[in-house]
Amino acid sequence: KNEVEQSPQNLTAQEGEFITINCSYSVGISALHWLQQHPGGGIVSLFMLSSGKKKHGRLIATINIQEKHSSLHITASHPRDSAVYICAVRLGLNTDKLIFGTGTRLQVFP
Amino acid sequence: DAGVIQSPRHEVTEMGQEVTLRCKPISGHDYLFWYRQTMMRGLELLIYFNNNVPIDDSGMPEDRFSAKMPNASFSTLKIQPSEPRDSAVYFCASSFGLNYGYTFGSGTRLTVV
Repeated sequence: KNEVEQSPQNLTAQEGEFITINCSYSVGISALHWLQQHPGGGIVSLFMLSSGKKKHGRLIATINIQEKHSSLHITASHPRDSAVYICAVRLGLNTDKLIFGTGTRLQVFP
Repeated sequence: DAGVIQSPRHEVTEMGQEVTLRCKPISGHDYLFWYRQTMMRGLELLIYFNNNVPIDDSGMPEDRFSAKMPNASFSTLKIQPSEPRDSAVYFCASSFGLNYGYTFGSGTRLTVV
């Protein structure tokens, strides 16, 4: 079993829909990252969370440390949101060894 | 700032050859990471540096891989000798401390034939 599990693996949506991507992990962590990988391959860091909730534009990320679960939400989705979204967890306070999920491939159609 | 700069963008080499990948982090960032991405294994951390010192190299696959950071503005990842199973996209990323997000380079797509 992977230490970081994402669901769904693939997701299609119509423009304007509300999107939720889930990440569950089985290890103790100090922080969780959400990354976005575009079709061209570039990777962008979206959020780093250790508790609560963060919002940036149409993106919202939440984390529940007790339940070992995080969600990434996209409101009013747009075709340009089409990408692979990757969850990664950082194991300890004094290390930045990250363990990555396998990613969720999102396609948003006009 | 131009972001994290990696070179080359693409590299095709024959098995057994030495390959050197290069990375210039964002000025002022004190952490530098090398990651590898394959279809089979996804993204994996290979090694990371703090203030030019290697901190965790447990992800380096074997002795054929080595990484250096001679100064704050340059790092290399070397594979010698290269093998077809090393074919992957290699990403470099940098950050300021551990409490902020990373900035990734565009990656180097390595193909070993």
